[in-house]
Amino acid sequence: AQTVTQSQPEMSVQEAETVTLSCTYDTSENNYYLFWYKQPPSRQMILVIRQEAYKQQNATENRFSVNFQKAAKSFSLKISDSQLGDTAMYFCAFMYSNSGYALNFGKGTSLLVTP
Amino acid sequence: GAVVSQHPSRVICKSGTSVKIECRSLDFQATTMFWYRQFPKQSLMLMATSNEGSKATYEQGVEKDKFLINHASLTLSTLTVTSAHPEDSSFYICSASGGTLHEQFFGPGTRLTVL
Repeated sequence: AQTVTQSQPEMSVQEAETVTLSCTYDTSENNYYLFWYKQPPSRQMILVIRQEAYKQQNATENRFSVNFQKAAKSFSLKISDSQLGDTAMYFCAFMYSNSGYALNFGKGTSLLVTP
Repeated sequence: GAVVSQHPSRVICKSGTSVKIECRSLDFQATTMFWYRQFPKQSLMLMATSNEGSKATYEQGVEKDKFLINHASLTLSTLTVTSAHPEDSSFYICSASGGTLHEQFFGPGTRLTVL
């Protein structure tokens, strides 16, 4: 079974600062995808960033970047220049083909950005 | 980006009644749809995977006779909660994939309250 662990239930950061959310996973698969999703109070799931396991280069999307360490099975999310609108639940998720491409989510980290 | 809608957004029903939730892909053909359930302050848990024209594949512990899933067309999947009970109260979220299976697009969710 694939497991996704987010060890930080809650975090806070001041506006304009940088914060890193951690995620580790356990799998015996070699080809898979990793994701970070944001769920604001509206509860709409929003894709933040995606990483293909076969790619060594870390994915980046504007202020969001990941540190993907395949050997360590670690996939942390760095948010730079935090904004008030970044306040949300953040879920790390794992996907592989043998699961029918379903997403396996971690328990989430609640991020609060303060003025 | 691709848009997925859900209807209704909120529903309140009496214990013992059935409720149908619709999930539609508005601008693409969804060969695969996923249904997730999210209890308050918890993560998303996969309930089932449905492929157009096929029977849904249910996760362990999810009663297929209670949660009926139909994926009769490439743009519509429905989840029917039969004989609903208060413990079925939850937030139900669907997602859809088109030709690229590792891309999922989420609906806005349906909040079900069973009295």
